[in-house]
Amino acid sequence: EADIYQTPRYLVIGTGKKITLECSQTMGHDKMYWYQQDPGMELHLIHYSYGVNSTEKGDLSSESTVSRIRTEHFPLTLESARPSHTSQYLCASSEFASASEKLFFGSGTQLSVL
Amino acid sequence: GESVGLHLPTLSVQEGDNSIINCAYSNSASDYFIWYKQESGKGPQFIIDIRSNMDKRQGQRVTVLLNKTVKHLSLQIAATQPGDSAVYFCAETTNFGNEKLTFGTGTRLTIIP
Repeated sequence: EADIYQTPRYLVIGTGKKITLECSQTMGHDKMYWYQQDPGMELHLIHYSYGVNSTEKGDLSSESTVSRIRTEHFPLTLESARPSHTSQYLCASSEFASASEKLFFGSGTQLSVL
Repeated sequence: GESVGLHLPTLSVQEGDNSIINCAYSNSASDYFIWYKQESGKGPQFIIDIRSNMDKRQGQRVTVLLNKTVKHLSLQIAATQPGDSAVYFCAETTNFGNEKLTFGTGTRLTIIP
């Protein structure tokens, strides 16, 4: 069982609000990721990190930012939420030098922007 | 561009029967393939992986087959159980980098009791 946690589980907010989605893992994994997923659709990588003080943009421009001050914590921030940001956001982690590139996912945050 | 896609969006299988979920990929440089299972309200869960130097790999009740000639990947689930009902995603990458992982559109598998 993976030890990666996301909060909140559900979030409904108004347009223009600033929000932060939390993600924490207790496995000591170096690599962490944020994915965006619409219902039943493929996952799109929006940010990732190789370790502390490392942040990289993924393929999807989501107008969000991330930070990695601690190994276990990788929060995602939307400075000004828009209805187009309505989606599920999944956090994941993996070992940096693992021979098996297995991702461990959290349960996700379902975001609705009105 | 690169794409990973599944042939069928939905699949219904009688409990106890075997199921096969297919996946096509377009990047001939892909060398690592993974199947994930996503149950309702949960994040994806790793099922099985295979590297391009293999054409078959077996796990517990699951088998992944890789045909590099036609760029096709399949997941076989034996003796399906109600708990197998979920959306299944294939994903591929090169050089074992998760940051380059490309997910396909999922197939929803429903097990009929």
